[in-house]
Amino acid sequence: GNSVTQMEGPVTLSEEAFLTINCTYTATGYPSLFWYVQYPGEGLQLLLKATKADDKGSNKGFEATYRKETTSFHLEKGSVQVSDSAVYFCALRSGGGADGLTFGKGTHLIIQP
Amino acid sequence: GAVVSQHPSRVICKSGTSVKIECRSLDFQATTMFWYRQFPKKSLMLMATSNEGSKATYEQGVEKDKFLINHASLTLSTLTVTSAHPEDSSFYICSARDMGQGFGYTFGSGTRLTVV
Repeated sequence: GNSVTQMEGPVTLSEEAFLTINCTYTATGYPSLFWYVQYPGEGLQLLLKATKADDKGSNKGFEATYRKETTSFHLEKGSVQVSDSAVYFCALRSGGGADGLTFGKGTHLIIQP
Repeated sequence: GAVVSQHPSRVICKSGTSVKIECRSLDFQATTMFWYRQFPKKSLMLMATSNEGSKATYEQGVEKDKFLINHASLTLSTLTVTSAHPEDSSFYICSARDMGQGFGYTFGSGTRLTVV
């Protein structure tokens, strides 16, 4: 079946540091890949997505590239801010027609001033 | 943007009672809604997919008689946890697909259920 593996936190960084949150997946077919962010007390929000190999999703300074050869979708940001502190979830939607998302366990990111 | 309202945000109930959780799409119609369950330090696990006007599709291992899902309109889906037990205590999150926004997913804020 489908699965998503992402680094578990918490990940603690200083403001303006470079961020990488690793995400790898196992899926049949050609899945779409997503990063969601959950701020304290709020629902999950779509951060970025990519629907085919080599696509790069980007939003709010975050980027992730769909790498089919390594089955990865690592999240990166060049300079993090305190306001980026949240829980980040990597997820996939199978290309086989099923609509529900398969999530990773989430990575708690803490940015210190 | 699309908003999904989930209610209640927290609920405590006694063992053996039933609890209903509502999920509403506020400014769009959602033909498909999803219910997830999240355990501490675990990923969100898809429980079931509900389509307006038809029966929900449950994931393997999810008891459909315990977790009743009703999707009677394009803006409302409900999850009822029947005869709740302490092991049903968890964080439940709903999600809806917005037909008008490329079928993107919008999530509710979740419901923390505690069964005592």
